[in-house]
Amino acid sequence: AQSVAQPEDQVNVAEGNPLTVKCTYSVSGNPYLFWYVQYPNRGLQFLLKYITGDNLVKGSYGFEAEFNKSQTSFHLKKPSALVSDSALYFCAVRSPTDSWGKFQFGAGTQVVVTP
Amino acid sequence: EAGVVQSPRYKIIEKKQPVAFWCNPISGHNTLYWYLQNLGQGPELLIRYENEEAVDDSQLPKDRFSAERLKGVDSTLKIQPAELGDSAVYLCASSLVAGVSDTQYFGPGTRLTVL
Repeated sequence: AQSVAQPEDQVNVAEGNPLTVKCTYSVSGNPYLFWYVQYPNRGLQFLLKYITGDNLVKGSYGFEAEFNKSQTSFHLKKPSALVSDSALYFCAVRSPTDSWGKFQFGAGTQVVVTP
Repeated sequence: EAGVVQSPRYKIIEKKQPVAFWCNPISGHNTLYWYLQNLGQGPELLIRYENEEAVDDSQLPKDRFSAERLKGVDSTLKIQPAELGDSAVYLCASSLVAGVSDTQYFGPGTRLTVL
């Protein structure tokens, strides 16, 4: 069975500082990995995904994520955080062996960026 | 391009009452998903449609939940009767195809409160 762990319930960072949101996964085969962001009273917005190829994936709003197969991780990063990045971030995994492509989401990490 | 549309955005009902949620996916998206999101948790899949066919409803509590996707476009999720534990956000998502690498796009959700 596939699973995703986001070890931090909340990440606090000052504006302008680097932001990292951690995600580790467990899946059979090569994973398909996704990051979504959720603002209050809004649905999930797609940020980026890793399917294959370059381990460093660039996405929306200046975010990027690095796939590390040996550490089974897919951490989300942003070089310089903005106050507007304050939101709830979800990592999700899909297994290529799952014919229905079911998403398994992590519990989410609340990011708080202070001015 | 319009995103996934859901209505209503908020619904408050008494327990044992019926309730229905409506979803209009992104135009041309054949795959539609309904998710349940409890507070502080990631979304959990309830049902997935390929066109008008429900291909994965294993997580749908069929004693009180039902869903339909007539004509393979709009979808309705119904709860009858609602229970206190059904209070949550119900998210609809769509994707162009059913492939495991395909991105799901989410609507804003319907926040249900059962009193």
